[in-house]
Amino acid sequence: SQQGEEDPQALSIQEGENATMNCSYKTSINNLQWYRQNSGRGLVHLILIRSNEREKHSGRLRVTLDTSKKSSSLLITASRAADTASYFCATDWGSQGNLIFGKGTKLSVKP
Amino acid sequence: DTEVTQTPKHLVMGMTNKKSLKCEQHMGHRAMYWYKQKAKKPPELMFVYSYEKLSINESVPSRFSPECPNSSLLNLHLHALQPEDSALYLCASSQRGTSGYEQYFGPGTRLTVT
Repeated sequence: SQQGEEDPQALSIQEGENATMNCSYKTSINNLQWYRQNSGRGLVHLILIRSNEREKHSGRLRVTLDTSKKSSSLLITASRAADTASYFCATDWGSQGNLIFGKGTKLSVKP
Repeated sequence: DTEVTQTPKHLVMGMTNKKSLKCEQHMGHRAMYWYKQKAKKPPELMFVYSYEKLSINESVPSRFSPECPNSSLLNLHLHALQPEDSALYLCASSQRGTSGYEQYFGPGTRLTVT
């Protein structure tokens, strides 16, 4: 399976703290994307990092990609209660843009 | 308009019923996707339509039948489902059916098969 693995599976932090989630994958990729899913709802795209990029920022989000280790991390700084959600990495490895999602990290931010 | 809409929000159906899930986007996207998501699991790709042609079918049982009437609409026809098919069904679209584009997801249809 090319499915990514995220760790930790669950993360509980206080508001204002930083949250770091990691993703590992198995095959060569074109790019890696991160998505957020609030409980039982649709996914929201957060950020896309291409295979030739090492780091990308978007607001309070920082994503790194290490293709030699086949891993990525998502850092959310100064977390808020509204960041409570499940976070999935998704690898884009073929020519047709289909994504393979990792197992996800469930983040809980306590006010 | 950056929204993907799905109807219905919830669906309960018996194993002998026939029903359809609908998905619509008006962003001019040329690729549309169906995913199945079981509780506490990641979404799993079922079908991909690119330029209204079925380009990927991930070995989904024939009791699921996709249809793309035009570039804005995507249907999933359901027939003779099993209780294990109960899940959240997500529709998504992207600008192109090629690598490098983010996907926009609808809110999903929560399906229960009794």
